Amino acid sequence: DAKTTQPNSMESNEEEPVHLPCNHSTISGTDYIHWYRQLPSQGPEYVIHGLTSNVNNRMASLAIAEDRKSSTLILHRATLRDAAVYYCILRPRGGGSEKLVFGKGTKLTVNP
Amino acid sequence: DGGITQSPKYLFRKEGQNVTLSCEQNLNHDAMYWYRQDPGQGLRLIYYSQIVNDFQKGDIAEGYSVSREKKESFPLTVTSAQKNPTAFYLCASSIAAGAYSSNQPQHFGDGTRLSIL
Repeated sequence: DAKTTQPNSMESNEEEPVHLPCNHSTISGTDYIHWYRQLPSQGPEYVIHGLTSNVNNRMASLAIAEDRKSSTLILHRATLRDAAVYYCILRPRGGGSEKLVFGKGTKLTVNP
Repeated sequence: DGGITQSPKYLFRKEGQNVTLSCEQNLNHDAMYWYRQDPGQGLRLIYYSQIVNDFQKGDIAEGYSVSREKKESFPLTVTSAQKNPTAFYLCASSIAAGAYSSNQPQHFGDGTRLSIL
C-alpha cells in the first residue's frame, strides 16, 4: 500500500485558515486521496476526496499537487469543533480497496 | 436524518461469553464494514459485506462472526474465541464496495466500546 506522511501535530487559532499537508510520494496514477477526521471517542468522519483536480465542499478544500505526490487539506476558518485528528488516506482503484488504512494522522489543536 | 446507528455505546463481556454489537444504517448503502480500533492505533478491518447475504473476511476476522440478512443491518458477534476483545468497534457503510469503492466515502457510526469484566 502506498504510504502517506503527515506532521504529528499542528496548532491554529480560531477563525484562521488551516493548511494540513500530506506527502504521498509513492502514489500510483489510480489512487484516490481521501481525508477523514476523528474526534475523541467518536467514529471517523469523511471530509473530502479527490483524484487529480482540486476539490471543494462545505467542510473543506483539497489542493492536490500537479505531480500528485502531495496534497493539502484546507479548512478556511477553523472553529473549536475542528479540533480532531486528521487522516490522509490513499485508496487504490479496484480490488482490495475496501478497507481504509489509517496512519498516525495530524492532531489539530484550535486555540480560542 | 440518514446515518449509522451503533448500539450499545458501552459493552462489557464476561469470560467465555459471546456478545453482539448492533449496526443499523438508513442510507440505503449496499456495502457495510466492521473495524476495530485499539488505543492510539489506526483502524483494522474485521469483516465487510458488499451486498445482502454476502460478507468477506478482513484482516483480523478470527474470533468474530457477522451476518447480513437485511440491507440495513450488519451485526457483529465477538465470540469467546477472541482472546483480546477490548477495543473500540466501528461500523461503516458506503454506497458500493469492490472496484468502485475507492471513489466512495465510508460513513461511520459513533462506535461501541467493548471491555472485559
